[in-house]
Amino acid sequence: DTGVSQDPRHKITKRGQNVTFRCDPISEHNRLYWYRQTLGQGPEFLTYFQNEAQLEKSRLLSDRFSAERPKGSFSTLEIQRTEQGDSAMYLCASSRAGTATYEQYFGPGTRLTVT
Amino acid sequence: DQQVKQNSPSLSVQEGRISILNCDYTNSMFDYFLWYKKYPAEGPTFLISISSIKDKNEDGRFTVFLNKSAKHLSLHIVPSQPGDSAVYFCAASTILTGGGNKLTFGTGTQLKVEL
Repeated sequence: DTGVSQDPRHKITKRGQNVTFRCDPISEHNRLYWYRQTLGQGPEFLTYFQNEAQLEKSRLLSDRFSAERPKGSFSTLEIQRTEQGDSAMYLCASSRAGTATYEQYFGPGTRLTVT
Repeated sequence: DQQVKQNSPSLSVQEGRISILNCDYTNSMFDYFLWYKKYPAEGPTFLISISSIKDKNEDGRFTVFLNKSAKHLSLHIVPSQPGDSAVYFCAASTILTGGGNKLTFGTGTQLKVEL
């Protein structure tokens, strides 16, 4: 059973450029989450999908951020017109409906550096 | 506002002794609490969880205690091993639309287990 995978692992971009990250959840997991982690902080919730439907978005997700999960499998997170404040680790997690203990399984993350 | 707090940024323990990691929360609506462990360059890994209606959950060397009146939980690791050296995050769960859940994380405690 492969875990959650994310691509790329590292991304360096110049301010103002657009970037897109990909997340492949565990195959039987129908719920997918995006979090952002900055230095010295814990991960912060960004958004949540159940199958292909985006059901929840945090106030942290500004208009420059968009996430999709076509066909309810992999997900992409796009950041348009990147700013230096977007530099962070972007984590993807997945879970299966009916999990009694609410745990989410995290990928290794994509580290974004905006110069 | 930090709803989940881990006030000790670091903890050092000798191998074989008990490690006690603490976490405080402010929101009474959290329904589940989880502990995650994170190694460098990896995503957080689920360790153990506890329902808000329980006061103790044990899994091998790991035990989580919940004191609802004090809004406090702790993770005990006995005996501590060098491989336990990692950052430990406390997380609190709230239910989302469709049955998914949002995790609110603390800032983490770096545990170092010394020989």
